[in-house]
Amino acid sequence: KQEVTQIPAALSVPEGENLVLNCSFTDSAIYNLQWFRQDPGKGLTSLLLIQSSQREQTSGRLNASLDKSSGRSTLYIAASQPGDSATYLCAVDSWGKLQFGAGTQVVVTP
Amino acid sequence: SQTIHQWPATLVQPVGSPLSLECTVEGTSNPNLYWYRQAAGRGLQLLFYSVGIGQISSEVPQNLSASRPQDRQFILSSKKLLLSDSGFYLCAWSVAASGRGEQFFGPGTRLTVL
Repeated sequence: KQEVTQIPAALSVPEGENLVLNCSFTDSAIYNLQWFRQDPGKGLTSLLLIQSSQREQTSGRLNASLDKSSGRSTLYIAASQPGDSATYLCAVDSWGKLQFGAGTQVVVTP
Repeated sequence: SQTIHQWPATLVQPVGSPLSLECTVEGTSNPNLYWYRQAAGRGLQLLFYSVGIGQISSEVPQNLSASRPQDRQFILSSKKLLLSDSGFYLCAWSVAASGRGEQFFGPGTRLTVL
């Protein structure tokens, strides 16, 4: 059974610092991995999708890496802003189903 | 561009009452559709998914059911709600032609069962 873990559960950084969010999974037989952002009381916003054959994906200040063999993905957010405050979720597509981590709650202080 | 709608946004229902949540997708054809529940302390859980009209797969045994009466419409129902049905219900879609591709989520429905 695929298990997805996100550490830390919560993170607080001053504005301008780079954010590093970690996601690990137990079964390396994944199809893809997706990073989402969730604001309080809202739905999920897709940030990046990494196919299993890819090593990383970039979108603006966001960069996500994938190491399938070690079961890890990292989301980097450069030069954080207060607007980046949210919960970040990773999800792996394993055997046709998305398995989610519990998320990392991020607070960026001005 | 594609958009996904869910309604109602918020719902408070007594135990034992029926439930109907609706999800519609615009701007795409024959999408894969999904229902998830996000409960406090339990993360996101896939409840149902559909690859076409009338085709529903259930992931978790429960007193909920799903239906897909039209290509871009997905409905979550219950005949009698339980307290444990409280949570945040999210609908999502993905492009069927691409296989298991990127999923896009709706704004969600907050359900409170009293």
